[in-house]
Parts: sequence; C-alpha cells; structure tokens
Amino acid sequence: AQKITQTQPGMFVQEKEAVTLDCTYDTSDPSYGLFWYKQPSSGEMIFLIYQGSYDQQNATEGRYSLNFQKARKSANLVISASQLGDSAMYFCAMRVSPGTASKLTFGTGTRLQVTL
Amino acid sequence: AAGVIQSPRHLIKEKRETATLKCYPIPRHDTVYWYQQGPGQDPQFLISFYEKMQSDKGSIPDRFSAQQFSDYHSELNMSSLELGDSALYFCASSSGTTGETQYFGPGTRLLVL
Repeated sequence: AQKITQTQPGMFVQEKEAVTLDCTYDTSDPSYGLFWYKQPSSGEMIFLIYQGSYDQQNATEGRYSLNFQKARKSANLVISASQLGDSAMYFCAMRVSPGTASKLTFGTGTRLQVTL
Repeated sequence: AAGVIQSPRHLIKEKRETATLKCYPIPRHDTVYWYQQGPGQDPQFLISFYEKMQSDKGSIPDRFSAQQFSDYHSELNMSSLELGDSALYFCASSSGTTGETQYFGPGTRLLVL
C-alpha cells in the first residue's frame, strides 16, 4: 500500500522568503507520480506541480519547485519569494501505476501562513 | 482555460434523503474521479471512471453509486444520507492518453442535517 507523510501541520514564513514543505512517500511500485496541490480557505484544490518517478530533473513551475530525492523517498515543495496569497493548505499526493485511472493518495497536509 | 464544473456548489439535505452531485470534466478529458473531504481531513478517493467504465474503487459506501455518461459527465448518487456524509465532494478529471495530472473542480459542499 502507498502512503504519504507530511510531518509539518503548520508553517509560518515571512513575505518574500522561501519556504520548504516536507513530503515523504512509501510505495513498492517503481512507477509513480508525485503531486502538490494548494487548497485555499475557499476550498478549491489547485494543482501546482508534478514529478514522475523516472524524471531525471526536479520539476519547476514558476515560483514552485519540487526537490525530488528518490533514494530518500522525499518530494519536498519549495516556494520561492512567498506572497500573502500563498497562505493555504498544501497537500502532497501520490499516484502509482500512472497512465491508468487510479487514485491519488494524499498526505494530511501542511497549513502555510505567510506573514508581513 | 476550461475547468471542471461541479453542481450544485452547495447542498443541504436531511438525514435519510438522497442527493445527486454532477460533474462535467474538462473538454477532451476521458477520466473522472470522485473524492470526499471531511472537515479538517485530506481528500479520500471514492471511485473513478475511464471511458465510461468504472476503473478504480475506494472507500465508497454501498449507499453511494456513480456513473459516467456518453458525454463523459459523471453523477454521484447518494442515498439514505447520514450526518457523517457531510463533506466537500470533489470531482477531478484527467486525460488518460496525454497525461496523468488530475484537475479538480471547485467541489460540492454537502451538509446533512
């Protein structure tokens, strides 16, 4: 069975600073995908970034980057130059057997608060 | 860009009533997923469909059923509602042939009284 662990229930960061949200995963499947989603207080689930298990380079999307360390089974999200609008809940998720309509397994989330 | 559409956005029901949630995937997406997110919890997978066939099944109660129609929209039918069914229900869609990222709709917030 696959599992996602997010050990930081809450994080604070000052505006314009960088922040790292931790995520570790566990699966025996060699082929998997890792995702980060943002959930603001309004409730929608916004896709941020994706990393495939066979990708050689770390994924980047604007101010978001994914620090993928396969041997350590970690997929940390790095947000650079934090903005007040980044305040939200962040979920790490994993999907095994990519290419099929298989489920996402989520971690428990990290609530990020950006301060002035 | 077009997103996943869910209706209704909010729903209030009494115990033992039924509810139907609708999901319209992103155009040309052939795969639909349903998730349930209880208060303060992470989303839990319920069921998925690929090309109108059920593909994967999670912790969906027997009181719930779902299907995907010929136009790829999907409906989640919930009967004999219980207080514990109060949650945010997400539909997500993906393209089975070109990518695996699941894009979520805005969710339907169901309150059972």
